[in-house]
Amino acid sequence: QKEVEQDPGPLSVPEGAIVSLNCTYSNSAFQYFMWYRQYSRKGPELLMYTYSSGNKEDGRFTAQVDKSSKYISLFIRDSQPSDSATYLCAMSAYGGSQGNLIFGKGTKLSVKP
Amino acid sequence: DAGVIQSPRHEVTEMGQEVTLRCKPISGHDYLFWYRQTMMRGLELLIYFNNNVPIDDSGMPEDRFSAKMPNASFSTLKIQPSEPRDSAVYFCASSFRKNEQFFGPGTRLTVL
Repeated sequence: QKEVEQDPGPLSVPEGAIVSLNCTYSNSAFQYFMWYRQYSRKGPELLMYTYSSGNKEDGRFTAQVDKSSKYISLFIRDSQPSDSATYLCAMSAYGGSQGNLIFGKGTKLSVKP
Repeated sequence: DAGVIQSPRHEVTEMGQEVTLRCKPISGHDYLFWYRQTMMRGLELLIYFNNNVPIDDSGMPEDRFSAKMPNASFSTLKIQPSEPRDSAVYFCASSFRKNEQFFGPGTRLTVL
């Protein structure tokens, strides 16, 4: 079993839909959870960062972490065509850059106008 | 700030040739990371440096791969000899102390 599992999609939704992206993981030591967005032929960019369990909201984006289920989610409200990208979850057992980030393979999202 | 700079952006080479990828991190960042991204394996960490010192190279796939960071503003990833299975997008990222890593645009490597 890979440490981080993520459905690769692709996921296609109409503009304005609510999008739910998910990752599961096996390493209970993970404490730091991130979502990166990667546009085609670009490097990933950090979208959301959470520590331990709970929710975090930033505009149209909400990140949820359920450590008991080893499950994290990213919700996008009122999705826009500009949200079309690949979304990668990433996790680390350590704070700061001392630890390695373990990435999911990414879910490709397409938002149709 | 120009962000993380990588060169070349595209590289096409023949099997057996030496390939050198270059990275300039964001000024003031003390961590530098090299990643490889493929469809099959996703984004994988190859090696990372702290203050120019290699900390963890456990992700380097084989002895054919080597990385150096001679100073705070420059790093190289070298593959010698290259093989077709090395074809991938190679990313460099840098950070200052925390987990927010800033990625460069990547180098798309094709080994024929």
